[in-house]
Formats: sequence, C-alpha cells, structure tokens
Amino acid sequence: EDQVTQSPEALRLQEGESSSLNCSYTVSGLRGLFWYRQDPGKGPEFLFTLYSAGEEKEKERLKATLTKKESFLHITAPKPEDSATYLCAVLWDDYGQNFVFGPGTRLSVLP
Amino acid sequence: GAVVSQHPSRVICKSGTSVKIECRSLDFQATTMFWYRQFPKQSLMLMATSNEGSKATYEQGVEKDKFLINHASLTLSTLTVTSAHPEDSSFYICSASRGGGRNSPLHFGNGTRLTVT
Repeated sequence: EDQVTQSPEALRLQEGESSSLNCSYTVSGLRGLFWYRQDPGKGPEFLFTLYSAGEEKEKERLKATLTKKESFLHITAPKPEDSATYLCAVLWDDYGQNFVFGPGTRLSVLP
Repeated sequence: GAVVSQHPSRVICKSGTSVKIECRSLDFQATTMFWYRQFPKQSLMLMATSNEGSKATYEQGVEKDKFLINHASLTLSTLTVTSAHPEDSSFYICSASRGGGRNSPLHFGNGTRLTVT
C-alpha cells in the first residue's frame, strides 16, 4: 500500500495560470511533511516543512497547506522558472528518521 | 546557499571498477547522513543511513558489500560502488539534517550521475 502519493503525475500550466498540487498520506503519527523542488539532474531543494494540520507556509508564489490526510502546494501566477518536479516527503513515528518520498509532480509552465 | 556538497557530479566508469562518491556537510556537523538512489522519472529511494563512527544501516535489498559507506568524520560520508555493473548506473544523492531537532528537514547534495559502461 502506497503511503505517500502525489497528484497529478504531471501538470502543464500557462504562465499566470494558478493551480494546486496534492500530496496524500495514509500514515498516522505524522511528525512532519516536507516539500521539495527538484530540477533535472539536481538534488532536491528544500521548500517547506509543515508539522500540524491547519499550518500554512508561504514563499514567493508558493503556499503549502496541511490537513490530517493531505497537503497542497498552491502555485499562484506561475512563471516558466517554476517548472520542476515537486516532491513531498513524510516523516512519521513508525519509520524512525527515514523520510518517505512521494513520486513527485512534474510541473511545466509554458510562456 | 548549499549546505551539502557532493562530488563528483558525473562519473563514467568501466564495468568491474569501483567508484567513490563524497558527501560533505558544509557548515554543520552531521552525525547521520542518508544516501538515496533515483531512477529516471522516479522518486528517491533510501539506500542506507550513514552513521558517524559506526556501521551504516542498509535498507532491505541493498547489498552492503557492493555499496560501501564510510562516515569517518562529522562532515564527510563516502559511498563506494564496488565492482560496478551497468545496472548500477543511476543518480545517487546524499542528504543530511542540519539540526534543530529530530523532525528537521533534510538538505540534499546535487547528486552524482553514475554511468557504468
């Protein structure tokens, strides 16, 4: 059973077209949910950490929110430079210090 | 700026040879580092946890004799792929937590693209 899923698998947006990416998890005892951005051929770049339901974090055009079973990464008026793969990762009680990553959403923003 | 440095970024080697990849924490001490492997268009899979001054902990299915991990100092972990074969070709990424508690985020190096010919 997949513990961390992301949707959609791929998303194409026009520049300025806002949208949201989803990260769902089925575990209990969440200790943290993390969002990363990964450019091709690079390691993931840390974006946000969310620790409890109702928490929100913002950075430029990105806003991350968390509920008890999922997190959303909202992208407002995206630009082509926002094109990347966005990964979420979960840390929870039963898995020690091991982060479990979702499969990612490949975002393409067209000019 | 980058907090974890990984070297080399790319390496091509012949089948049967060994390759060493270095991972350094730049401005902090990391008692634990993590090594991941990533196949094209797939997510990160944890290979092993590198512990300073003790043996690494390997995930199920990862051959510890093939993927040798050494964490000899608080700022350096190395992954050596021994007797490499084409199926070992992949993108290897290291990471470390900068501290601030057990729920702190991981910071990643820029990865090493290994190609075995």
